[in-house]
Amino acid sequence: AQSVTQLDSQVPVFEEAPVELRCNYSSSVSVYLFWYVQYPNQGLQLLLKYLSGSTLVESINGFEAEFNKSQTSFHLRKPSVHISDTAEYFCAVSYTSGTYKYIFGTGTRLKVLA
Amino acid sequence: DTGVSQDPRHKITKRGQNVTFRCDPISEHNRLYWYRQTLGQGPEFLTYFQNEAQLEKSRLLSDRFSAERPKGSFSTLEIQRTEQGDSAMYLCASSLALRRTGANYGYTFGSGTRLTVV
Repeated sequence: AQSVTQLDSQVPVFEEAPVELRCNYSSSVSVYLFWYVQYPNQGLQLLLKYLSGSTLVESINGFEAEFNKSQTSFHLRKPSVHISDTAEYFCAVSYTSGTYKYIFGTGTRLKVLA
Repeated sequence: DTGVSQDPRHKITKRGQNVTFRCDPISEHNRLYWYRQTLGQGPEFLTYFQNEAQLEKSRLLSDRFSAERPKGSFSTLEIQRTEQGDSAMYLCASSLALRRTGANYGYTFGSGTRLTVV
């Protein structure tokens, strides 16, 4: 069975500071990895994904995540955050075949302070 | 195409009543998923359709829950005899599975239906 652990339920950070949101997963088979962002009272938006190839993936708004197979991690980073980055961030894994259903972590609430 | 639409956005119902939610996926997407999200938790898988066929149901989906996707287009999720524990955000997502490999590479989520059972 797969599982996803997001150890930090809340991360406060000052504007323009760097941030790292941690994600570790457990799986006995190959997985796809995703980060989603959720703004209040909205659905989830795909931030970035790792399917194969380069272990470093980037989003269009400055976030990046690195797949580390040996540490079974997929941490999300941004070198300089903005107030508008305040949201809930979810890490997810899916099987690479079959239903492709996602297993989500419990989420990390990023609060950017002025 | 405006993405995945869910209706209603909010629903307040009395315990014991039946409720039905609707999801309109992106038109060319052949897979449709329902998830449930409670406060402070990540979304949990409920069920999934490939076209009109319901191919998997979670154990979370009790006998009071039923989902349909007639003609492989929109989907409905019905909850009968609602209980307070059913209060949650119900999320719908769709994706396009490649015909040759069956693989798909990411969902598009709707904004969800927030259910409150009083």
